[in-house]
Amino acid sequence: QVQLQESGPGLVKPSGTLSLTCAVSGGSISSSNWWSWVRQPPGKGLEWIGEIYHSGSTNYNPSLKSRVTISVDKSKNQFSLKLSSVTAADTAVYYCARGLDHYYDSSGYYVDGGYYMDVWGKGTTVTVSS
Amino acid sequence: SSELTQDPAVSVALGQTVRITCQGDSLRSYYASWYQQKPGQAPVLVIYGKNNRPSGIPDRFSGSSSGNTASLTITGAQAEDEADYYCNSRDSSGNHLGVFGGGTKLTVL
Repeated sequence: QVQLQESGPGLVKPSGTLSLTCAVSGGSISSSNWWSWVRQPPGKGLEWIGEIYHSGSTNYNPSLKSRVTISVDKSKNQFSLKLSSVTAADTAVYYCARGLDHYYDSSGYYVDGGYYMDVWGKGTTVTVSS
Repeated sequence: SSELTQDPAVSVALGQTVRITCQGDSLRSYYASWYQQKPGQAPVLVIYGKNNRPSGIPDRFSGSSSGNTASLTITGAQAEDEADYYCNSRDSSGNHLGVFGGGTKLTVL
């Protein structure tokens, strides 16, 4: 089954750029899924950062849009997150996840409108500090 | 602020039934999905779509929806169900964005 693994520096300096990669194994990044990033600051809830389709189409959280870039590398079967101009408020556990907007019901019928993330990486902690 | 609203904390006696709710305008158009998160672990999908459980999720977990409110019900709560629960959906802007509820801390007494 599909597995996801985040990687990247655990420490980033203020005003720098956070860069993470999510390696996809057990499946193709070119499948009909949204490849997503979610973060969780210490002691707080989950925050949706954004997503990318294998075609390159992206959607970003409006609160982060000016600083976020998500890209896909089909040759390496992985996708990446870049977050620029980071501050201490960007300190968080960062998760990558596979998102879908559809499913097949028990009768095998295609059902639209059911957004969910069914596979998650274990998460990687990124601290912003000098 | 989140477009999906959840109660911060809920408690349930061992073996009893508990409902965790999630409110938001987008839930009139999209099904909510539900995630269980235990300390130090990644979220785990427990309910998606109309009322679907991924493989390995016990059947004591179920989902429902009415109007702008989605609910996660645990029938016969177990000690291992103590966790944070988050709802998730597309937002109401029509721009195909994702959004999470603020989370509900479930305590099993």
